[in-house]
Amino acid sequence: GQQVMQIPQYQHVQEGEDFTTYCNSSTTLSNIQWYKQRPGGHPVFLIQLVKSGEVKKQKRLTFQFGEAKKNSSLHITATQTTDVGTYFCAGRYDYKLSFGAGTTVTVRA
Amino acid sequence: EPEVTQTPSHQVTQMGQEVILRCVPISNHLYFYWYRQILGQKVEFLVSFYNNEISEKSEIFDDQFSVERPDGSNFTLKIRSTKLEDSAMYFCASSAQERTQYFGPGTRLLVL
Repeated sequence: GQQVMQIPQYQHVQEGEDFTTYCNSSTTLSNIQWYKQRPGGHPVFLIQLVKSGEVKKQKRLTFQFGEAKKNSSLHITATQTTDVGTYFCAGRYDYKLSFGAGTTVTVRA
Repeated sequence: EPEVTQTPSHQVTQMGQEVILRCVPISNHLYFYWYRQILGQKVEFLVSFYNNEISEKSEIFDDQFSVERPDGSNFTLKIRSTKLEDSAMYFCASSAQERTQYFGPGTRLLVL
């Protein structure tokens, strides 16, 4: 079936440092969406990328969609304690989203 | 801001019992979805629903599962005979015109 692979599974970051999480699909995606889930919470939509090579920024977050529309990345600069949570990418195939396993981010002050 | 709501927030049931999880999608949305998340694992797609019929379903969504939109506002997921492995958080989501999916707060189902 269609799957989205996401790495790393865990990311422990010093406050102020940058990190990146990556997603890869074996097949071309219609679009890719990114969600953040706080501990005990539900996935909250962050952004959607549709076009090949698209780059979008939200403050300290930079999202990128690959040229082949098979991979994506989320880069966070100057990590803050509020960035704690699990970041999921979700690749869209027809009507469904296939979620990656998520990158769980912890931050040490 | 409009949001997806789900009831109940928690459900405990005995193995073999039927459960119905309820969702009220955002009012002008046309596409509805159910996902589940087993504790500590990733979110898994179950089913999508549009125009009063299932548009896609995953291999998890077997004959024990069914969905219904009984009226203009509710969207339900029924599990006919629950198994231990059905214990999970179940999220409902809705979207307008195949765009961004907005998730509800989830129902935590525990099967004993």
